[in-house]
Amino acid sequence: EDQVTQSPEALRLQEGESSSLNCSYTVSGLRGLFWYRQDPGKGPEFLFTLYSAGEEKEKERLKATLTKKESFLHITAPKPEDSATYLCAVQALGGSNYKLTFGKGTLLTVNP
Amino acid sequence: DAGVTQSPTHLIKTRGQHVTLRCSPISGHKSVSWYQQVLGQGPQFIFQYYEKEERGRGNFPDRFSARQFPNYSSELNVNALLLGDSALYLCASSLLPYNEQFFGPGTRLTVL
Repeated sequence: EDQVTQSPEALRLQEGESSSLNCSYTVSGLRGLFWYRQDPGKGPEFLFTLYSAGEEKEKERLKATLTKKESFLHITAPKPEDSATYLCAVQALGGSNYKLTFGKGTLLTVNP
Repeated sequence: DAGVTQSPTHLIKTRGQHVTLRCSPISGHKSVSWYQQVLGQGPQFIFQYYEKEERGRGNFPDRFSARQFPNYSSELNVNALLLGDSALYLCASSLLPYNEQFFGPGTRLTVL
C-alpha cells in the first residue's frame, strides 16, 4: 500500500527565515510526486510535479527536490503570504487506477 | 480560463439523507477524480472517472457512487448519510488519468 509521511506537522517561521519541509514516501513504483498548497477551507492548488530522482523544480520562493525515498520543499526567504498547508502526494505506476495518495500536510505559518 | 467548479459550496444534511455533489472539469480535461478531506487530514481518494468509465475506486462503502456525463462533468452521490461523512469533498480534473490533477474549491458537507 502506498504511504506518504510529511514532517514536521507544523512549522512556524519568521519572515525571511528559510527552511525545508519533508515528504517521505513508500510506493511500489513512482509515476510522479506532487506538491500542493492549500489555504483554509479551499481546494489544493497545484505547485509541482517531480518524476525521477535528482529532479528539481522552482517557483518563486519554492524549490522542490526528489530522491528515491523522499522529497523536500525548500522555502527561501518566506513571506507571510506563504502561510498555508503544504500537501505532498504520490501517484503509482501500473494498473488503471491513477489516484493520488496524500500525506497529512505541513501547516506553515510565517510571521512578519 | 475557468478552473474546476463545484456545487454547492456548502451543504447541511441530517443523518440518513441522500446528497448529490456536482463538478465541472477544466475545459478539455477528460478525467475527473473525487476525494474526501476531513479536518487535519490529507485528501482521500474516492473515485476516478475517464471517458465516462470508472477507472478506480478507493476504500469507501457502497453508499458512495459517482458517474461522469458525456460533457465530462461528474456527480458524486452519497446515500444514508452518517455523521462521519462530514468533510470537504474535492473534485479534481486532469487531461488524462495519469496527468497532474487540478482541484476545485470543494463542497463542505455537514451531517447533523
